[in-house]
Amino acid sequence: GQNIDQPTEMTATEGAIVQINCTYQTSGFNGLFWYQQHAGEAPTFLSYNVLDGLEEKGRFSSFLSRSKGYSYLLLKELQMKDSASYLCAVRKGGGTALIFGKGTTLSVSS
Amino acid sequence: SAVISQKPSRDICQRGTSLTIQCQVDSQVTMMFWYRQQPGQSLTLIATANQGSEATYESGFVIDKFPISRPNLTFSTLTVSNMSPEDSSIYLCSASMRQGMGEQYFGPGTRLTVT
Repeated sequence: GQNIDQPTEMTATEGAIVQINCTYQTSGFNGLFWYQQHAGEAPTFLSYNVLDGLEEKGRFSSFLSRSKGYSYLLLKELQMKDSASYLCAVRKGGGTALIFGKGTTLSVSS
Repeated sequence: SAVISQKPSRDICQRGTSLTIQCQVDSQVTMMFWYRQQPGQSLTLIATANQGSEATYESGFVIDKFPISRPNLTFSTLTVSNMSPEDSSIYLCSASMRQGMGEQYFGPGTRLTVT
């Protein structure tokens, strides 16, 4: 079986830092992905971790621990436009499709 | 990266009819996939579109209901057959390069409403 868990909703204020956690239990692992999806739009790629550690890309960072089946997405200096759903997804094997968690809806307020 | 387009962007269809959604990628990609996203939900994988052979369907999805074609490396179609209101959803085409080891990109989606 497979299970990808992330919080349903989170709230934060402009300028703050927020961490969105994702835990996974899958029958294989070949990478963990984070996507951002604004309402009514397609998911856009944010980050990709295949090895343990932190990947930093501007205001967004993503961390992976394969032994713990755990990842997080860190968003710094939050802006109103960061209000969106954040989707955690796992690739179980090379050449296979991503399997998505249910997504975390982040609301950023002023 | 890959740019993915889908047609139509949206449609309203009658119960019992079928709709074919087209997906075009601007470069040759290794893998193509079809997902469904129901209102307020996350993405559910329907199938992997295999070039020149039958698609590989996920549990709960069958070829008779969702026939898929992929005649070449840049194009795929998904048909939603004998539609019912439960098929109202956003259907997304997706593609990955580098033998499926790299990033996976998404098309803008097709918003389907069945009345």
